[in-house]
Amino acid sequence: EAQVTQNPRYLITVTGKKLTVTCSQNMNHEYMSWYRQDPGLGLRQIYYSMNVEVTDKGDVPEGYKVSRKEKRNFPLILESPSPNQTSLYFCASSLGRGAGGPRGVQYFGPGTRLTVL
Amino acid sequence: LAKTTQPISMDSYEGQEVNITCSHNNIATNDYITWYQQFPSQGPRFIIQGYKTKVTNEVASLFIPADRKSSTLSLPRVSLSDTAVYYCLVPFMGSQGNLIFGKGTKLSVKP
Repeated sequence: EAQVTQNPRYLITVTGKKLTVTCSQNMNHEYMSWYRQDPGLGLRQIYYSMNVEVTDKGDVPEGYKVSRKEKRNFPLILESPSPNQTSLYFCASSLGRGAGGPRGVQYFGPGTRLTVL
Repeated sequence: LAKTTQPISMDSYEGQEVNITCSHNNIATNDYITWYQQFPSQGPRFIIQGYKTKVTNEVASLFIPADRKSSTLSLPRVSLSDTAVYYCLVPFMGSQGNLIFGKGTKLSVKP
């Protein structure tokens, strides 16, 4: 089944404790992206990747890191989490450029609910 | 900046047709308009995409006028299960990958 998976689905942690949220897709997609969703703010892009070893900042990259060493994986790293990073996180992938025609249709993962105490 | 503007919320009743309009005044020449649906605590899912005029699939229609500065998602005969947030997405003008979703339209369907 074609899908985007994220792990963990739920995570409660404490301030300053490094964590990684994994994202994997099995559709051989080039474009991958991370979003966070907060009440009243909609979906905001954190980082995106056009292909392996190519990453760039979205709207809200502060406090996050990403890497794209393999085409299928795009982990989100929080080196020193803070309470303002408590949020619902989504990973997404598409064949090509985001929203650029049929190749840009994004497939989203199920989400990771992160709480930083 | 390809920013989209949508109504914050809409109410409807079962069986009615719902039209949600999105404005995107700065859309680039080659960009498509894509609509997504999101249920609470789930990831958005693709509904429909178009470039110009009208596109129809099994769940919705998308109307895009000639100037492409807006688009209208049409949901025929909605049911309670159509209660969700609907996002209109246009690529960030000038960038290859940066996307701005906006806040979406929360549709509430009542019996």
